[in-house]
This record gives sequence, structure tokens and C-alpha cells, in this order.
Amino acid sequence: DTAVSQTPKYLVTQMGNDKSIKCEQNLGHDTMYWYKQDSKKFLKIMFSYNNKELIINETVPNRFSPKSPDKAHLNLHINSLELGDSAVYFCASSQGIGGVYGYTFGSGTRLTVV
Amino acid sequence: KNEVEQSPQNLTAQEGEFITINCSYSVGISALHWLQQHPGGGIVSLFMLSSGKKKHGRLIATINIQEKHSSLHITASHPRDSAVYICAVRSDKIIFGKGTRLHILP
Repeated sequence: DTAVSQTPKYLVTQMGNDKSIKCEQNLGHDTMYWYKQDSKKFLKIMFSYNNKELIINETVPNRFSPKSPDKAHLNLHINSLELGDSAVYFCASSQGIGGVYGYTFGSGTRLTVV
Repeated sequence: KNEVEQSPQNLTAQEGEFITINCSYSVGISALHWLQQHPGGGIVSLFMLSSGKKKHGRLIATINIQEKHSSLHITASHPRDSAVYICAVRSDKIIFGKGTRLHILP
């Protein structure tokens, strides 16, 4: 009954590969997010979707492409992976833009590019 | 200078102590969030503030919009409170502080 579930939990891949991380929420929230936490544990927003529409797109390389097939899903596809993409990626959801009622986070996907 | 600054960066205290973590920001905001990241990595949303004060159990969060400052207090701290506490503000984008690593000793 996980509220926000991400798969996979761990991902090890070689430079140059293309990979996807999936996120699903069963809370009925209308807004979903992707965050990146780097090796120094610093969190940064990457993308936010509200009702399947992109509302936040921070300065992220265009190798990163989010896709929201419906309100409950926000997947992250990464092309031509680089060493610097190694990080923990967190998906989150909220009801309403801005997390007025708080955010619910997934447990994270640890991506290691070798 | 970061737009969101937290202090202290690290804090070690004895069980039972009153804990204060501070967050200062330099941008106009519509809301401020306090998050807790457990040692295992999971993140929990604690509070969303736009004014005043909120309380949940032993946790209290306050914000002073004029001074651009928020504090998170923990009363009767316990080893299970050991975590990284992260302040995040919403302006035209979401900006995170670097977190305060709290360690409560039994």
C-alpha cells in the first residue's frame, strides 16, 4: 500500500546508456515532482507536473525527459547517461501546486553510472 | 550566498534536550516547508508554513515573514529524532536548504 512508489530502488548502468525510472502515486494527488539529491545530500527540484501538464522545469539537461501519462504517474527517462547523473532521485506528490497540504515522497532511486 | 541558509549544519544533543534548527531565506516566498530525511534516506514532509506557528506532537515550526526566518523546534528530543532536517521555500521555484544533521544521543 505504498503511497508513492518508485522503481527501481537501485540502478547501476554504464555511461551512454538510456534508462527510465518510474513513479506512481495512489493518493489521488494532482501534482507530481522529481527531485535530485546529489552526493552532498543537496536536494534540487527537477520537474513538476500538475494534472499531466509540466509546470516546473528547472535547468536540467535535455537528456532528462519526464513523461506523465496520467495524474498518477510521472516517469523520468534519461538518455546518454553521464557519470555526473549519479545521485538519488526522489519522486513526490502533493494535492495542489506548492504542496499546501505537504508532500509525500517516494523512497528514492539510487542511480549509479559507471 | 545560498538563497536558503540553515543553521547549524550539524547538531549533536542529549536525549531530552530542546532543539532549535534555523532557516533564513533571502527571496520572497509563498510558503516554507520543513522536511525530515531519515538515516535510511526516506523523506517525510513535516510542516508547510505561510505564517505564524504550527505544532505537531513534539515538533513546533514558526515563521517570521518580515524577518525571512523560520525555526523548527523539537521538545523532549529522542534518539529517533536523529535525521537530517531540510528547509525548503517556494518562490518562483522551490529552493532547498542544505539541511541540518541532528544526532540525539541516548
